[in-house]
Amino acid sequence: EIVLTQSPGTLSLSPGERATLSCRASQRVVSSYLAWYQQKPGQAPRLLIYGASSRATGIPDRFSGSGSGTDFSLTISRLEPEDFAVYYCQQYGGSPPVTFGGGTRVEIK
Amino acid sequence: QVQLQESGPGLVKPSETLSLTCTVSGGSVSGYYWSWIRQTGAKGLEWIGRTDDSSNYNPSLRSRVTLSRDVSKNQFSLKLTSVTAADTAVYYCARGYSTSWGDFEYWGQGILVIVSS
Repeated sequence: EIVLTQSPGTLSLSPGERATLSCRASQRVVSSYLAWYQQKPGQAPRLLIYGASSRATGIPDRFSGSGSGTDFSLTISRLEPEDFAVYYCQQYGGSPPVTFGGGTRVEIK
Repeated sequence: QVQLQESGPGLVKPSETLSLTCTVSGGSVSGYYWSWIRQTGAKGLEWIGRTDDSSNYNPSLRSRVTLSRDVSKNQFSLKLTSVTAADTAVYYCARGYSTSWGDFEYWGQGILVIVSS
């Protein structure tokens, strides 16, 4: 099983600041199969990034993804009030086919 | 716009079978993989399995899970047998792109299922 470890667990930042979230995989992940999601309380996760670096439909360009192999990151260039949420990375293609990271909470400082 | 809606009992007794249905609107269930994903505080997000013409399951749940699809009703379903308290979770149905089934663009709102006597 490909284990995804996200860090930090919690990121405390102010609106307007830059957020960088990390996702490290226990085995190589095919970049095409690495995604990032945002989840707010009481809501389903929302796809932000797929293929490690492609923005999903309607996602603002302040969100960007990068990385390859076992190290991936999500960057939010300037935090807006609506960006404070929990973020998950996810891969598919391993065995089991789909695994998620434990999440990073981005909270208001 | 594709919309997914989970339905089923919110309370299931231990050792019984959890049965959920996902109704799809704004698109057809044909031509895509449809997944079930659950979320707990303890284990986070856990993929249960996917179905189209056939099904693939998370090995950790394979012995207890059956997924199926009903094209005529535009629905797909989950059955999880011999449930315990550990199966208490919010259950989501989800769909990815046609070319990348595991990029889950569409999600249901989720349904909380509690396993308790």
